Amino acid sequence: GIQVEQSPPDLILQEGANSTLRCNFSDSVNNLQWFHQNPWGQLINLFYIPSGTKQNGRLSATTVATERYSLLYISSSQTTDSGVYFCAVISGGSYIPTFGRGTSLIVHP
Amino acid sequence: DVKVTQSSRYLVKRTGEKVFLECVQDMDHENMFWYRQDPGLGLRLIYFSYDVKMKEKGDIPEGYSVSREKKERFSLILESASTNQTSMYLCASSFGGYGGYTFGSGTRLTVV
Repeated sequence: GIQVEQSPPDLILQEGANSTLRCNFSDSVNNLQWFHQNPWGQLINLFYIPSGTKQNGRLSATTVATERYSLLYISSSQTTDSGVYFCAVISGGSYIPTFGRGTSLIVHP
Repeated sequence: DVKVTQSSRYLVKRTGEKVFLECVQDMDHENMFWYRQDPGLGLRLIYFSYDVKMKEKGDIPEGYSVSREKKERFSLILESASTNQTSMYLCASSFGGYGGYTFGSGTRLTVV
């Protein structure tokens, strides 16, 4: 099956810093989503982005499908950005997503 | 926005009890899913359903069953709860083949 790798596994930032999270996948995808899991455990959809670039406030994402990667940019990070960021892809004939292991982000005040 | 509602945020049950975790979505999604999440093991799929009364086993179905009698509701059943089923349980729904996923807020189940 498709492999999904996220990097870095852990990230510690000071409030106000910018960061880039990466998701590499091993095959072509029909769907790619970025999620943020907050400290209470809820997974919140950030972007549905099988290709192209999207922006939502301080967050933006770019998927380069031909090169099999996606990037999540967080600008001017805030303590509320802390949590785990997951990338999930759907490929082939399946509609079951494959999740990466996540990037754990801690933003210090 | 699609809303996926899980009936309980925190639950404590005794070993051997029958446990029902309920999930309801309000956007007519065909597909619904149950995951469990444990530290270091990521998200693991327990069961999924692509239509009413239809169900498919995921990666770790042992010790669980599911029920989908109505399109909007997908229930996860622990027939006889055990301590190794202490975990975070997450429900999700999606539209069609490649539609985006929406997750519920999760249920932290502790079996004592």
